[in-house]
Amino acid sequence: NAGVTQTPKFRVLKTGQSMTLLCAQDMNHEYMYWYRQDPGMGLRLIHYSVGEGTTAKGEVPDGYNVSRLKKQNFLLGLESAAPSQTSVYFCASSSPSRDGYEQYFGPGTRLTVT
Amino acid sequence: AQSVAQPEDQVNVAEGNPLTVKCTYSVSGNPYLFWYVQYPNRGLQFLLKYITGDNLVKGSYGFEAEFNKSQTSFHLKKPSALVSDSALYFCAVRDLSSNTGKLIFGQGTTLQVKP
Repeated sequence: NAGVTQTPKFRVLKTGQSMTLLCAQDMNHEYMYWYRQDPGMGLRLIHYSVGEGTTAKGEVPDGYNVSRLKKQNFLLGLESAAPSQTSVYFCASSSPSRDGYEQYFGPGTRLTVT
Repeated sequence: AQSVAQPEDQVNVAEGNPLTVKCTYSVSGNPYLFWYVQYPNRGLQFLLKYITGDNLVKGSYGFEAEFNKSQTSFHLKKPSALVSDSALYFCAVRDLSSNTGKLIFGQGTTLQVKP
């Protein structure tokens, strides 16, 4: 049982390049989330999904897109990276019916945009 | 608006002493409250949660938290700190405005335990 995994662990992009971050969970969780963590700002929700085929905007969605084609996977895309998107990105998942809204987190992806 | 506040950016304690990391919240309704810990270069790990029942909640690694409804607080405590407890701690509350499982996180408190 791997829990929540994220790919890649590190990435350096040039301004304007695109990339996709992959999150996978093997706990059959219905809900999935993407956060970014910046110094002094805690965790901020980018996008989330309450089920396969559904996505919704969080607190800071601009510049990002997401897709949830399969229940176990949640992809975060950056179409045209900007230095302001330099951050650590965390994926999380939860199953409110089983765990009372406790979220399980992945190990993070450290992204630098130059 | 719903919110969580961690009033201290950093807490310093000596090893063996009791520690408290403070958290206050503001929600409309009965709160679901959580504490997470983040070690350097790692993801967040769940420590404990309060949903209902006993106001004193026990969690992982000897941590506990006390829910106080009148003071809208959920402080994290440990009777005897270890150097290995040094980490970043987040308090969170469930967003009650929607049924999406979203959590609202505090800014985090860095705990430094010195030998």
